[in-house]
Amino acid sequence: QQPVQSPQAVILREGEDAVINCSSSKALYSVHWYRQKHGEAPVFLMILLKGGEQKGHDKISASFNEKKQQSSLYLTASQLSYSGTYFCGTSPGSSSNTGKLIFGQGTTLQVKP
Amino acid sequence: NAGVTQTPKFRILKIGQSMTLQCAQDMNHNYMYWYRQDPGMGLKLIYYSVGAGITDKGEVPNGYNVSRSTTEDFPLRLELAAPSQTSVYFCASSPRQGEGYGYTFGSGTRLTVV
Repeated sequence: QQPVQSPQAVILREGEDAVINCSSSKALYSVHWYRQKHGEAPVFLMILLKGGEQKGHDKISASFNEKKQQSSLYLTASQLSYSGTYFCGTSPGSSSNTGKLIFGQGTTLQVKP
Repeated sequence: NAGVTQTPKFRILKIGQSMTLQCAQDMNHNYMYWYRQDPGMGLKLIYYSVGAGITDKGEVPNGYNVSRSTTEDFPLRLELAAPSQTSVYFCASSPRQGEGYGYTFGSGTRLTVV
């Protein structure tokens, strides 16, 4: 039931792009993306709802393929501040009134100068 | 606006002791959650609540209890602490499920059971 993220880790140079994938074996109502820096709490990036469009702000965007139960997070022209661990959180089912999320194992992103 | 406040930030417990992790939010959010995060791992849902007086189990509820008597507070009780409960505990809240509504996390409680 836990979504699977890939890759587990990625190292980039500043200005390079990265894609992080999140796959579930169950039908999804929504997918959340969070970034966590070492020793800190996760911070909400964006939510994608069933039937929704690709989202994004600044140089971080995400898509949600309902048929495949997959979401992808796109980081373009990466900056040093993008370093951290990225988690997807999935809310299963055709609808959800609990808001509870099951999180993936995380993808560690390191951006080097 | 404080957001989600967790206390204490750090705690060392001896095996068999009990304690309560406090969580309070001032955003009038209906939904609140408790997660634990083991080193290098993702977040596992312990318990959650969709409103005052309503709680339910998550993925890993054994050894824990919760109550939700008010909208603001959602304490997590550890009974008979075990080394397997050594972890970082995060409380989170959200207004509801929907466009733009993600979790707001507290800063966490780092618990060590020795």
